[in-house]
Amino acid sequence: DAKTTQPPSMDCAEGRAANLPCNHSTISGNEYVYWYRQIHSQGPQYIIHGLKNNETNEMASLIITEDRKSSTLILPHATLRDTAVYYCIVRENSNSGYALNFGKGTSLLVTP
Amino acid sequence: ETGVTQTPRHLVMGMTNKKSLKCEQHLGHNAMYWYKQSAKKPLELMFVYNFKEQTENNSVPSRFSPECPNSSHLFLHLHTLQPEDSALYLCASSQEGNSGGPKNIQYFGAGTRLSVL
Repeated sequence: DAKTTQPPSMDCAEGRAANLPCNHSTISGNEYVYWYRQIHSQGPQYIIHGLKNNETNEMASLIITEDRKSSTLILPHATLRDTAVYYCIVRENSNSGYALNFGKGTSLLVTP
Repeated sequence: ETGVTQTPRHLVMGMTNKKSLKCEQHLGHNAMYWYKQSAKKPLELMFVYNFKEQTENNSVPSRFSPECPNSSHLFLHLHTLQPEDSALYLCASSQEGNSGGPKNIQYFGAGTRLSVL
C-alpha cells in the first residue's frame, strides 16, 4: 500500500471549515483513499473514501487532485465533537479482508 | 452504536491470569479483525479472519490466541501476558467479496482497555 503523509496536528475554530491535507505521491492506479477518525478512547470511525472523483456524504467531502498524489478531507462546519485524530489511508479495493495501515494521523482540535 | 460490540470494556489482569476478550458484530459481515493500540502508537493489526478462516497473523506472540467460531463472533484468549501488553484492543468487521457495494470499510467496536499488572 502507498505511504501517506499528514501534518501531526491542526486547529480549527468551531463553525469554520476544517481542511485536512494528505499526501500520497506513490499511490497506484487501483488504490483508493480512505479517511477514518478516532475520537479519544473510542474505536476508529469510517468517514469517506474515493478513487478519482471528489466525493461527498453527510459527514464530509473528499477532494482528490487530478494527479491523485494528494487529497483533502473537508469538514464543512466543524463542531467540538469533531475533535479527533484523522487518518488518511491508501489501499487497494480487494475482495478479501485486509489490514488498514493507520499511521499517526492528524490530531484536529476544534476550539470554541 | 457501530454494530460491533466488545466486552468487557475494561479489564485488569495479573500476569498469570487467563482471560478472554469478546467481539460480536450485528452487521452480517464476513471478515473480522483484532487490532492493538498502545499508548502514543498507531493501531497495529493482530489477526484477520475472512469467512471464519484466519488469513493473517501479524507476528503476534502465542500468549494471544484468537478464535472465530462463526462469522459474527470473535474472541481473543489471553494468557501469561506481560505489562507491555497493556493497551486498547479493538475489534472490527467488514463485508468482503464480490457482493457489490462498498468494500473494505471496517466498522470498529469501542475497544477493551486492558491493564496487565
